[in-house]
Amino acid sequence: AQKITQTQPGMFVQEKEAVTLDCTYDTSDQSYGLFWYKQPSSGEMIFLIYQGSYDEQNATEGRYSLNFQKARKSANLVISASQLGDSAMYFCAMREDYNFNKFYFGSGTKLNVKP
Amino acid sequence: GAVVSQHPSWVICKSGTSVKIECRSLDFQATTMFWYRQFPKQSLMLMATSNEGSKATYEQGVEKDKFLINHASLTLSTLTVTSAHPEDSSFYICSRGTGKETQYFGPGTRLLVL
Repeated sequence: AQKITQTQPGMFVQEKEAVTLDCTYDTSDQSYGLFWYKQPSSGEMIFLIYQGSYDEQNATEGRYSLNFQKARKSANLVISASQLGDSAMYFCAMREDYNFNKFYFGSGTKLNVKP
Repeated sequence: GAVVSQHPSWVICKSGTSVKIECRSLDFQATTMFWYRQFPKQSLMLMATSNEGSKATYEQGVEKDKFLINHASLTLSTLTVTSAHPEDSSFYICSRGTGKETQYFGPGTRLLVL
């Protein structure tokens, strides 16, 4: 089974509106980390936000927040007040803490922000 | 600023030649670094874990003799694509061994084999 599933190949959002990018994960490990990365057309992977499996509160970093629903095994990224510069690929990733350095990536979601 | 650099950012080579890609950890002595491969419009796939002073650990399905990894110092790992063929054309990204909350990626190297 896939470790990380992103079901939205592409998304459109109007500038200044909020958008949610979906991510579900599969693990039997109790201790794990969830990550979101942004990849603009340049190719660089830009770290956005992290959520630990034991963190009780949803992570937030500026306009980014992670809607963590552990029972559903979902870790959706919410971008508030979208900006044109948010147009990029977004990847959800997971790391199981027993294998600390191995990351599993989803297939990505291409976000287009419309002016 | 950037904590991981890669060189070159772009390389075009003829089929049959070997290409070396460098990955440097700029702010941290990394005993472990990672190499990923990304095909167009696809996700990153871990190729191998580069271990300073010892052999790299390759993921299943990755040819060790095709993708040679050397981690000779705590700040430098190299990936050599040997006898490159057009199917090796891809985007190669390295990252450095991590703190708990993230993994820092290099800017990537685009390889085109003609």
